[in-house]
Amino acid sequence: DAKTTQPTSMDCAEGRAANLPCNHSTISGNEYVYWYRQIHSQGPQYIIHGLKNNETNEMASLIITEDRKSSTLILPHATLRDTAVYYCIVSRTGNQFYFGTGTSLTVIP
Amino acid sequence: GAGVSQSPSNKVTEKGKDVELRCDPISGHTALYWYRQSLGQGLEFLIYFQGNSAPDKSGLPSDRFSAERTGGSVSTLTIQRTQQEDSAVYLCASSPAGDQTYEQYFGPGTRLTVT
Repeated sequence: DAKTTQPTSMDCAEGRAANLPCNHSTISGNEYVYWYRQIHSQGPQYIIHGLKNNETNEMASLIITEDRKSSTLILPHATLRDTAVYYCIVSRTGNQFYFGTGTSLTVIP
Repeated sequence: GAGVSQSPSNKVTEKGKDVELRCDPISGHTALYWYRQSLGQGLEFLIYFQGNSAPDKSGLPSDRFSAERTGGSVSTLTIQRTQQEDSAVYLCASSPAGDQTYEQYFGPGTRLTVT
């Protein structure tokens, strides 16, 4: 399964959009892109996933480039409660989720 | 509805003792996963159960680690002869099915400290 590269940390002003990038240049055609986040001392929480098309739900938007080698998670109006570690994962099978160390997002008041 | 629950929430044990960690998945979920998260690290896959199929044990770090899932529901992760390097948060997740089109729902974890 493809591995991902994410920045170690990012800051975002409260109320602004947070754009979290992820590189997955070795992704194969049947691998999905998943995003989870982990707030301190809690289990990871599912955010969104997609295969090729951009996706949007009540939490976030996922933009996948046409060549699928990278994606961006967008939190449209970041709040202090969005401070967390965000994991980008690509997976072909349900039992091969490699979480890596993710991006630590800090939302600043 | 009820989410994934794990017990105990915290466990402190002496080196060399055996421990059992429990996971109650969401009712009806056929897939169940165990992960380990050491301090400041990402999640490390341990084992995966899907329905009545043989579990994928490829992530278990040593033969001191084992897990079972009874009746397709509750799962127990057992660590024998615990070592200090076993100290971590052990996370359980369940999913409606074991393929990548379904998200995993995580429990709060069990924090294991081996002294």
